[in-house]
Formats: sequence, C-alpha cells, structure tokens
Amino acid sequence: SQTIHQWPATLVQPVGSPLSLECTVEGTSNPNLYWYRQAAGRGLQLLFYSVGIGQISSEVPQNLSASRPQDRQFILSSKKLLLSDSGFYLCACPRGGGGTYNEQFFGPGTRLTVL
Amino acid sequence: DAKTTQPPSMDCAEGRAANLPCNHSTISGNEYVYWYRQIHSQGPQYIIHGLKNNETNEMASLIITEDRKSSTLILPHATLRDTAVYYCIVRHGSGNTGKLIFGQGTTLQVKP
Repeated sequence: SQTIHQWPATLVQPVGSPLSLECTVEGTSNPNLYWYRQAAGRGLQLLFYSVGIGQISSEVPQNLSASRPQDRQFILSSKKLLLSDSGFYLCACPRGGGGTYNEQFFGPGTRLTVL
Repeated sequence: DAKTTQPPSMDCAEGRAANLPCNHSTISGNEYVYWYRQIHSQGPQYIIHGLKNNETNEMASLIITEDRKSSTLILPHATLRDTAVYYCIVRHGSGNTGKLIFGQGTTLQVKP
C-alpha cells in the first residue's frame, strides 16, 4: 500500500524567510502528486500538481513554487514568506499513482505559521 | 468540473443515520461524484464515489438521483468520531490530472 510522508509536521517562520516543505511517496511509481493549502477556517485550495519529474502545473498565482526533482518527491518552496502563507499544507497522491477514477490519499500535513 | 452546493452545517444524534445532501445540477455525463471528509487537524479521507448507480462500502452509502443532479451520502449509524467536514466533489474520472476542487463542505456534528 502507498504511504505519503510530509515534513516537517509543524513550522514557525518569520516573514521574509525562505520555506521548503517536502513530500515523499512510498508504494507507487510515477505518481501524480498534488499540493493543497488550507488557511485557518477555510476550505482546501489546490496549489500545484505534477504528473512527472520536472512537470509542474500551478493552479493559483502566489508566493510559492513547487518542484519535482525525483519520481516520488514533491517540494513546496518560497524565497520570502508572507503572513498570508500561513496554513495547513497537504500533499496528495491517487491510489495507484494515476489520476483516472482513483481516490486520492492525503499525507499528514505540515502546519505552517508565519509571524 | 461541475460546482457543488452543500449545506454549511448539520447535526445528527449518535447512533442515527446521517444524511448529507449535495446538489450538482450542472454535472455532465462523464463526471463522477466523490465524497471526502476531514476530521479536525487531519488530511481529508476518501469515503466513496459513484457515477450513476448507488454505491455502498464499509463506511457509507451514496445515493445518486436518476437525473444525477443531486446525491446523498448516508452514514448509517453515526458515531462521535464521524464529526467532521464532509466534502462533495464532482470531477472527471478520466484524464491525466486527477485534481480535486474542494468547496466549503458540510460540517457534521454528531451529538451524544
């Protein structure tokens, strides 16, 4: 079965500092990967998705970027954090890795607080 | 992907069935209905999905109307641990992206 790892679990960063959140997936190969964000009291918003190494699609304009350096690694980054970047960041992957019909599994998430 | 409409909140007594409605009047023929839930401070959890036939699994039942413009998620015997935000999502089953577009969902409060 596939497992999604995310770290760190929690993070407190000052405004203007850089950010790197990591997601790795076990138990599948060449998976579609997704980054979602949930601001406090809000719904989940899709930020980025990737269908393969080096392939990134951005869903909303923002202060963040994503990279896929390896097949099962997905990284979310920022050069300078804003207060509005605070939130709960979730990485997701479809069952079996592919997007067709399959339900998505979500990682445990990273809770980011920007002060 | 079709937009969905859900009530913002619902209450249910423990042990009773919880019936969560969802309207998706603009759904197209090749779009599936998915349900997820999110317990506080956790990632969303897949519950069930369907195209046009009713579906049942160990967690819930999904009833889709004949015109497919609405559906109902049924938790047959709600427990306190079922308190969560429930999301109804409509998306294409095929395609190479598989992305999910979440709405605001329904906050279900199961009460003792």
